[in-house]
Amino acid sequence: GAVVSQHPSWVICKSGTSVKIECRSLDFQATTMFWYRQFPKQSLMLMATSNEGSKATYEQGVEKDKFLINHASLTLSTLTVTSAHPEDSSFYICSASRGTSGAYEQYFGPGTRLTVT
Amino acid sequence: GENVEQHPSTLSVQEGDSAVIKCTYSDSASNYFPWYKQELGKGPQLIIDIRSNVGEKKDQRIAVTLNKTAKHFSLHITETQPEDSAVYFCAASHTGTASKLTFGTGTRLQVTL
Repeated sequence: GAVVSQHPSWVICKSGTSVKIECRSLDFQATTMFWYRQFPKQSLMLMATSNEGSKATYEQGVEKDKFLINHASLTLSTLTVTSAHPEDSSFYICSASRGTSGAYEQYFGPGTRLTVT
Repeated sequence: GENVEQHPSTLSVQEGDSAVIKCTYSDSASNYFPWYKQELGKGPQLIIDIRSNVGEKKDQRIAVTLNKTAKHFSLHITETQPEDSAVYFCAASHTGTASKLTFGTGTRLQVTL
């Protein structure tokens, strides 16, 4: 159990366009989902936390108007990178948790590699 | 906020030997400590975790120890195999942070034949 999927696994887009990434919990209901960004050979950087039906909470320094997050159901969250630029190229990873407290494990998706040309 | 330090950054062991990765944390309120394995181009995979009410947990060749007083925890892999080669991340969180994990900087483990 505890499987999280992401789609697409990789995407190439032109500068100025928007890209949507989907994150799904396949076999459990995810009360909380998280979005991370990871640069090569670096650790994971939390971008935002989203609870189903609520607005996402963004980490300091993350532009909420650029990285739109929607958590419309207990199994689906989406991240839209708006007006993408080459510096947005990165590995984006989502994770999902059954609960809203630290008592629950966090399970990660396989990641989406975004390249902006 | 929480700060997690992880050492070493790289570790090379021979197949069959043991590997130990250590992490320290700063927030005494942290009470959940997972370890993740990340292979190249993939998302992190939860391999073992420990909560602050226990000092050690084992799962086959993998074990984690926690010293709350010293605020450090360690991952132990015995009888290493080539497929153990990956980047390992430790993390910490507590109930007051809505499951937010603070990650260590990662350890690249290379198991050589």
